Formats: sequence, C-alpha cells, structure tokens
Amino acid sequence: EPEVTQTPSHQVTQMGQEVILRCVPISNHLYFYWYRQILGQKVEFLVSFYNNEISEKSEIFDDQFSVERPDGSNFTLKIRSTKLEDSAMYFCASRGRRGADTQYFGPGTRLTVL
Amino acid sequence: AQTVTQSQPEMSVQEAETVTLSCTYDTSESDYYLFWYKQPPSRQMILVIRQEAYKQQNATENRFSVNFQKAAKSFSLKISDSQLGDAAMYFCAPSSTLGRLYFGRGTQLTVWP
Repeated sequence: EPEVTQTPSHQVTQMGQEVILRCVPISNHLYFYWYRQILGQKVEFLVSFYNNEISEKSEIFDDQFSVERPDGSNFTLKIRSTKLEDSAMYFCASRGRRGADTQYFGPGTRLTVL
Repeated sequence: AQTVTQSQPEMSVQEAETVTLSCTYDTSESDYYLFWYKQPPSRQMILVIRQEAYKQQNATENRFSVNFQKAAKSFSLKISDSQLGDAAMYFCAPSSTLGRLYFGRGTQLTVWP
C-alpha cells in the first residue's frame, strides 16, 4: 500500500540553524500539506501546496518557513533560522485529486531545537 | 476559520464494550468533509473514518461509526466491541474546501482488559 514517507525521523539542531525536513508524498497525489504538533498540544496546520505553489498558509508560516517541491517526488519544509519554540513533531500529508479524498500522513519528523 | 471542540480530554472503556467520543465544530463553509484520526504512542496519524457533509447517511467502517448532525455541527465517533489496540489519542478534524484540516485537542482513549 502506498504511503507517505518522511526523513529524518528525528532532527536535533542548534537555535539559529537552518533545517530542511523532507517528505515523499504518495506518487499520484496532487495536494501536499505540512502540519506540526508541539508536544501535548493539538495539531496545527502550516501550509498547503498545489500545482507548484502555496495555496494556503497559516499565521505560523511566516517568512522563516518555506516549502518546495524540487523534483517530481520530494516535498520539503525549510526553517531558515530555528527557534526554541519550533521544537515539535512535523507531519507531511498528501491527498489525491478529489475534495473528498483523505489526507494521508507520514510518520512525522521530531525536531528538537537546543 | 473553523473551531473544533472535543469536550472529553480522556475517556476509558472496557474491552468489548462501546464508547462514544464527541466532537462539535463551527464552520461557515457549506461544503466540507469530516475525519476522525487516531494517534497511537508512535505519533503516526491514522485515518479512522471520514464523512462527506453533503451526505445524510452516517459513515460506518467496521467497528467504527459516526453520528453526524449537520445542523447541530456535531460529529461523534462510536467504537463498538472495543479492543486493546484502539487505545490512542483520537482527533476530530473537519476540512475546508481547500483541504486544510482543523484539529480538535483530542480525546485520549484508554481501553481496559
């Protein structure tokens, strides 16, 4: 069964450093998403991406964040200068063409900023 | 923006019994979808069940079913014949027409043997 994959599973970085989180969505999916979950809190939407551009972003997704689909398979989230409060689990999700299609989530990347 | 309320931070159920998790939401959209996801300790988000808001019939997936009351903006999840593997955090998540999911704070379900 196709699945969304994410790498790395755990990333530790120093405050102020840049990180890139990688995702490989399900191959025939067209819509891509990033969410984050701070430990013990609810899952928060960051950004959605369709047709090589951002279709929606939340207030969290400021100019320190960027997304890219550099080739036909990868979907990346970059944080330019990490802050302590960026420590969270980051989930990538993808869905197919139809509005009713389910978003399938990857296993997440745990980001720890020291 | 949508707000999602899961009023039960924790629930527990005996194995083989039935439990209902509640969810209410607020949306101005007319066309949307609703999902329940479970998150076990591994923190993987796993789809449990989905409902199209334009459908009056409640969705059912094996032991999982929903009670969708569109006018009341209520979307509860019923788990029948609970199993130990059902223990997890459950999130109610309506979506916007653009597909963005709005998550509630979750209900931690414990299943006792």
